[in-house]
Amino acid sequence: DTAVSQTPKYLVTQMGNDKSIKCEQNLGHDTMYWYKQDSKKFLKIMFSYNNKELIINETVPNRFSPKSPDKAHLNLHINSLELGDSAVYFCASSPRLVDEQYFGPGTRLTVT
Amino acid sequence: EDKVVQSPLSLVVHEGDTVTLNCSYEVTNFRSLLWYKQEKKAPTFLFMLTSSGIEKKSGRLSSILDKKELSSILNITATQTGDSAIYLCASTGNQFYFGTGTSLTVIP
Repeated sequence: DTAVSQTPKYLVTQMGNDKSIKCEQNLGHDTMYWYKQDSKKFLKIMFSYNNKELIINETVPNRFSPKSPDKAHLNLHINSLELGDSAVYFCASSPRLVDEQYFGPGTRLTVT
Repeated sequence: EDKVVQSPLSLVVHEGDTVTLNCSYEVTNFRSLLWYKQEKKAPTFLFMLTSSGIEKKSGRLSSILDKKELSSILNITATQTGDSAIYLCASTGNQFYFGTGTSLTVIP
């Protein structure tokens, strides 16, 4: 059973396109997160949702918009993709805010 | 500015060696310190420490938090090639802050 799943695993697209990444967790956790991991393996938090409410919204371009239709899902929509958006995007969940996190397998986004 | 710093950045050891990875933090409203192991894919959770001086152990891995020194160490004894990975430290306060990681390579 997959605890935190993401789709797609790989995404290759051209500059200027709009794309979405989906995340689902079946752990019954209250909190979900989106992270970006760059080529140097640095993990940076982007967003955090607690019970469907946006809690953390780091300094990311407003081309990135998270959406949480329910506690088990947190999707990430990206408009007008740029080369610098190429990275691995991880979804994670935790029982409560700032508790231990469980990560999804990641989505490798390549913008050409 | 809140931050987490790990050292060393990379480490190469031989099987059987013991290694110590370091993590220091400066985080507002500190709550916990977490260690993760990242192999090829997603980080996997190892330990969470909230109280100073308490050691958490799991097999050959152990970790201690020193709240006075604002730091934590992760020890791995009798290293194996399967321990090769990036080890990430994260500190929580108002949110999560990850360090840049220590890349550990264990040579047979």
